[in-house]
Amino acid sequence: AQSVTQLDSQVPVFEEAPVELRCNYSSSVSVYLFWYVQYPNQGLQLLLKYLSGSTLVKGINGFEAEFNKSQTSFHLRKPSVHISDTAEYFCAVTSGFGNEKLTFGTGTRLTIIP
Amino acid sequence: NAGVTQTPKFRVLKTGQSMTLLCAQDMNHEYMYWYRQDPGMGLRLIHYSVGEGTTAKGEVPDGYNVSRLKKQNFLLGLESAAPSQTSVYFCASSKREYNEQFFGPGTRLTVL
Repeated sequence: AQSVTQLDSQVPVFEEAPVELRCNYSSSVSVYLFWYVQYPNQGLQLLLKYLSGSTLVKGINGFEAEFNKSQTSFHLRKPSVHISDTAEYFCAVTSGFGNEKLTFGTGTRLTIIP
Repeated sequence: NAGVTQTPKFRVLKTGQSMTLLCAQDMNHEYMYWYRQDPGMGLRLIHYSVGEGTTAKGEVPDGYNVSRLKKQNFLLGLESAAPSQTSVYFCASSKREYNEQFFGPGTRLTVL
């Protein structure tokens, strides 16, 4: 069975500082990986995804993530955060096999400090 | 192009009451999903549909039923609401299974 771990439930960061949100997954087969963002009182929207190819994936709003198969990680990074990045971020994984659906992590709440 | 819409936005029920949540999408997507979001638990899949007239169970299907009579609509029903079903419910759709899922704004349900 697949699973996703987001170890940090909350991450406070000063404005214009860099940030890394950690995501580790477990799966016995190859995976597809996603990062979603949820702004307050809204639904989720896709930030970026890794399906195959280059392990460095660029997404919207200046975010990027790197797929590391040996460490089973897909950490999300941004070199300089803005107040508008305040949101909850969810990592998700699917193996793409059989009836495996998207499994979400428990989320990381990113708070930007002015 | 409204994307994914959900009605109602808020609802308060008493234990034992029933209700239906409606999800509609105008993107001609084949796949539709219902999730619930609870604090500290992320999103959990309740039911999903791979096309008109089909439905399947997800991770937490007990106490819920669904129907997909039209391609654009996916209904989630609670026959006898329980306090444990207090949650925020999200509907999502995707063109194919591993494409981006588009989410609705959510329905906040409280069961007293």
